[in-house]
Amino acid sequence: QVQLVESGGGLVKPGGSLRLSCAASGFTFSDYYMSWIRQAPGKGLEWVSYISSSSSYTNYADSVKGRFTISRDNAKNSLYLQMNSLRAEDTAVYYCAREDDYGDFCYWGKGTTVTVSS
Amino acid sequence: EIVLTQSPATLSLSPGERATLSCRASQSVSSYLAWYQQKPGQAPRLLIYDASNRATGIPARFSGSGSGTDFTLTISSLEPEDFAVYYCQQRSNWPPTYTFGQGTKLEIK
Repeated sequence: QVQLVESGGGLVKPGGSLRLSCAASGFTFSDYYMSWIRQAPGKGLEWVSYISSSSSYTNYADSVKGRFTISRDNAKNSLYLQMNSLRAEDTAVYYCAREDDYGDFCYWGKGTTVTVSS
Repeated sequence: EIVLTQSPATLSLSPGERATLSCRASQSVSSYLAWYQQKPGQAPRLLIYDASNRATGIPARFSGSGSGTDFTLTISSLEPEDFAVYYCQQRSNWPPTYTFGQGTKLEIK
């Protein structure tokens, strides 16, 4: 069965860095586009970043462009999000999600919590 | 950037009633329109993809319709487990960009 398991969240000071990981299993990871999506406390869903199956293309929400970097290692079935220059407004649960054929996200991890606070 | 606006923000209904949730796009989208259900403390669950196709395992009481800028999620007869927050989502082709609506909270009346 498809599983996505995020890790790497935690408490970090403003201006700090954090690297999130997502371990994928139960499917051929290298065949799928992947994204990071976040949800601030009590708020809605916000797409953060996308990466193509071969890492050829990436894209970012304007709110994180220049600060976050998405990457993947298909040999390790893993997705990553390097987050630099973190701000209080980056506080959220971060989900990794697999994109399916119609631009939808059928599979999500349980999320990892990032808290940016002094 | 395409903006998705969901209405109403909150919908109060009783079990057995019909729920109609709306998602309006600021410009025409492809049929890459999806609907999700989210319960507290859980990840979102895909209900509908490509505007009108039910995801695997989703009960038939959930249906999606619409095209262009106006989309609807209908729950034909509410079950107690259906009370949750619902989001619509679209994908722009290039560069790949994804937008979620702000959500509709479906609460028990």
